[in-house]
This record gives sequence, C-alpha cells and structure tokens, in this order.
Amino acid sequence: GAVVSQHPSWVICKSGTSVKIECRSLDFQATTMFWYRQFPKQSLMLMATSNEGSKATYEQGVEKDKFLINHASLTLSTLTVTSAHPEDSSFYICSARDYRGRDNEQFFGPGTRLTVL
Amino acid sequence: RKEVEQDPGPFNVPEGATVAFNCTYSNSASQSFFWYRQDCRKEPKLLMSVYSSGNEDGRFTAQLNRASQYISLLIRDSKLSDSATYLCVVNMGGNQFYFGTGTSLTVIP
Repeated sequence: GAVVSQHPSWVICKSGTSVKIECRSLDFQATTMFWYRQFPKQSLMLMATSNEGSKATYEQGVEKDKFLINHASLTLSTLTVTSAHPEDSSFYICSARDYRGRDNEQFFGPGTRLTVL
Repeated sequence: RKEVEQDPGPFNVPEGATVAFNCTYSNSASQSFFWYRQDCRKEPKLLMSVYSSGNEDGRFTAQLNRASQYISLLIRDSKLSDSATYLCVVNMGGNQFYFGTGTSLTVIP
C-alpha cells in the first residue's frame, strides 16, 4: 500500500504554544488528505478534509482558526494547533487518498501524540 | 441513525476459532467499502477492500451485501496477533468517508 509519514510522532508542549504537525505522502501524490483526532478508547473523529491548493473543509464543531490546515503541495499537508490547551491533548492522525488504484483508499500516517501541559 | 453501525464487541475468542464481524450502512448509494485494523495507540491500517463478489486474503474473507446494506469480515483460524480493533469504513461518494466505531477482538491462548 501507499506510504504516509507524519512528523513529529509525539510532542509535549506548554499551554498557549502552537504546534505544527506534518503529513506527507511518500510515494504518491495526494490531492486529498484528511485530519483526524482520536481520544483514548474512542473512534476516529474527522476534523477536516484538506485539498491541495484550496481551503480545507472543516467538520462541524472544529474551529478553523484554532486548527490551521495548509495543503500547499501534492505531498504535504500541515495541521497547526494554535494556542494549544490541555483539552487539545489527543492522538492526531492524517490520511491521504491514493487515486492510483481501483478503490481510492485512504492510507494513514502513524499519528502524532500531542500532550499539552 | 448513524451512517455506519458496527458492534463494538468486545469479542473474546480462543486461538483457532472463526469469528465474524458485520457492519451496516445507511446510504444505499455508497460506493466503496473497506476494513481497517487498528492496534492500540497506532494508526488504522488497511486490511482489505470489500466487493460484492467477495474477496479473500489468506485467513480473511470480506463480503459486501448491497441488498441488505452490510459488509462482513470473517477471520478463520484466529491467531493471537489478530487481536486488534477492526474498523469498517464506507465511502459514500466523493470524499465522504464514514467510519464504524470499531469492533474489538481479543484472541485468547
């Protein structure tokens, strides 16, 4: 399957700081990437859909000014958590659609574990 | 009604057992279907796509029933390493993907 990387894999930061997470498709071009958040023992929650060269589409209840998404190239999308607070601590996972195959599946990055102190 | 519904389990089965999971979806126009596996504190990994004709990969068989709007995953000869959460995912067109809540499987020695 396609390979998606995510960086950093974990980050600890102080309340009020901003954190940038990168998601890269390594062996294919991804016009569409997704950002998810997952709290312990809960399902993945879609935060936003990121389309290369255009504004991200945010899910209801997700603050676009707090979670800034930039998808400036076909292989890179970034999520910036601005002014992070302890309640933003979570597992953030990106995925990218691979349109080369039959089913245009999503492939997930390994996730970023964010802890805000 | 949720777009995708999945029995959360947990399913606790002995090694060697056969176990089946079902997942129902609400939108009859849904286009593609997938099973993912997620281990604790890891990202979901694609297990297999699901087709009406059914598809098999070793001990895993997936099936789509469009008339009844469900997909299934059958695991034969369960191994300890099969213990994970299994997610069904439905693409309802475009970039609309809906995830089930996941079914937890524990294979017991």
